[in-house]
Amino acid sequence: ETGVTQTPRHLVMGMTNKKSLKCEQHLGHNAMYWYKQSAKKPLELMFVYSLEERVENNSVPSRFSPECPNSSHLFLHLHTLQPEDSALYLCASSQEGTGRSPLHFGNGTRLTVT
Amino acid sequence: GESVGLHLPTLSVQEGDNSIINCAYSNSASDYFIWYKQESGKGPQFIIDIRSNMDKRQGQRVTVLLNKTVKHLSLQIAATQPGDSAVYFCAENINSNSGYALNFGKGTSLLVTP
Repeated sequence: ETGVTQTPRHLVMGMTNKKSLKCEQHLGHNAMYWYKQSAKKPLELMFVYSLEERVENNSVPSRFSPECPNSSHLFLHLHTLQPEDSALYLCASSQEGTGRSPLHFGNGTRLTVT
Repeated sequence: GESVGLHLPTLSVQEGDNSIINCAYSNSASDYFIWYKQESGKGPQFIIDIRSNMDKRQGQRVTVLLNKTVKHLSLQIAATQPGDSAVYFCAENINSNSGYALNFGKGTSLLVTP
């Protein structure tokens, strides 16, 4: 148990579907993140929320829409995705969002867009 | 642009030997560095971190060395075990739109042979 739980673990969706990824952290942290991990590429930061306020949107296409209703929960809403969006999507949390404390990751959602 | 990179994409060591994984960074403003371990099917797991006011930090069987002069970071694993087989990432904090975020390298695959 990592302290950060992601669901679902695997998701296959068509390009016209709408789906959501869910993340929950049980660590009492104040910052949450979405990262994208593609094969043979470094982890790419997508979004950062600090105290439930979005503080970073790293040039992510609008077909990805994050939501942070409270400091323990984070969602990533997906719609009209492209095949190149297939990747492992990782959620993480940290004590604070200053980049000077460790991120704790979930085990990710493996997304396949067909 | 500035980035974090790894010298070797793969490293094979015998069980019981010491392992050294290297990382080069180019952002002189970075003041916090982390090493992560990622096993197949799991999210990255925090191993050890170090701040720029330190040269060395030790954990259980692991040591991180920071050489700010040449912008080099290394992870040493003592008495490597089969369970250490994984991909190892270094990360540095970078100044982003919101303040600081973690920027990850591509990773080194460590394979421990019996």
